[in-house]
Amino acid sequence: QKEVEQNSGPLSVPEGAIASLNCTYSDRGSQSFFWYRQYSGKSPELIMSIYSNGDKEDGRFTAQLNKASQYVSLLIRDSQPSDSATYLCAVEMWSNTGKLIFGQGTTLQVKP
Amino acid sequence: GAVVSQHPSRVICKSGTSVKIECRSLDFQATTMFWYRQFPKQSLMLMATSNEGSKATYEQGVEKDKFLINHASLTLSTLTVTSAHPEDSSFYICSAVGQASYNEQFFGPGTRLTVL
Repeated sequence: QKEVEQNSGPLSVPEGAIASLNCTYSDRGSQSFFWYRQYSGKSPELIMSIYSNGDKEDGRFTAQLNKASQYVSLLIRDSQPSDSATYLCAVEMWSNTGKLIFGQGTTLQVKP
Repeated sequence: GAVVSQHPSRVICKSGTSVKIECRSLDFQATTMFWYRQFPKQSLMLMATSNEGSKATYEQGVEKDKFLINHASLTLSTLTVTSAHPEDSSFYICSAVGQASYNEQFFGPGTRLTVL
């Protein structure tokens, strides 16, 4: 079983729609979760961090965490073509080490 | 804030040569820096964890004598790929964690290494 799993996609949504990206993780003791965006040929860019169960909103982005289900998601409202990228879910598997395990990433395509 | 630079952005070298990549945190002091490698269509693979003034911690399967890491200051870490071979061709990315950023990692722009 992979430690951090994401559907590789591509996930295709029309412009203006809500894009929903999902991630599951294997270590029940994980405490820190991150979403990164990576454009082709570029390095990852931090979008959101979330540490507590529930929702965390930042602009058009909402991260959702459910530790009981070992599930974290990212919602992108009013999707724009510029949101087209690969979204990486990252989990700090071992507390206080700072080491992240990345999922394979989900490719999002927002069509005008 | 939280800007991380890498140099060079792209390097092409001959097989057998060594290549040094620099990672700098420009506007904060990095307690820890990480080095990743990413092959095409794959996710990031952690190579090593680097703390200022101490030896790097390498992930399983990463040869520490081949990938030399030096973390000389709170703003600079270097990765040297020694005796590079074509299979070392990859996208190398560093990240840094600041003293005030909890455990959020900020990534450098990456270095694309091509070994001929």
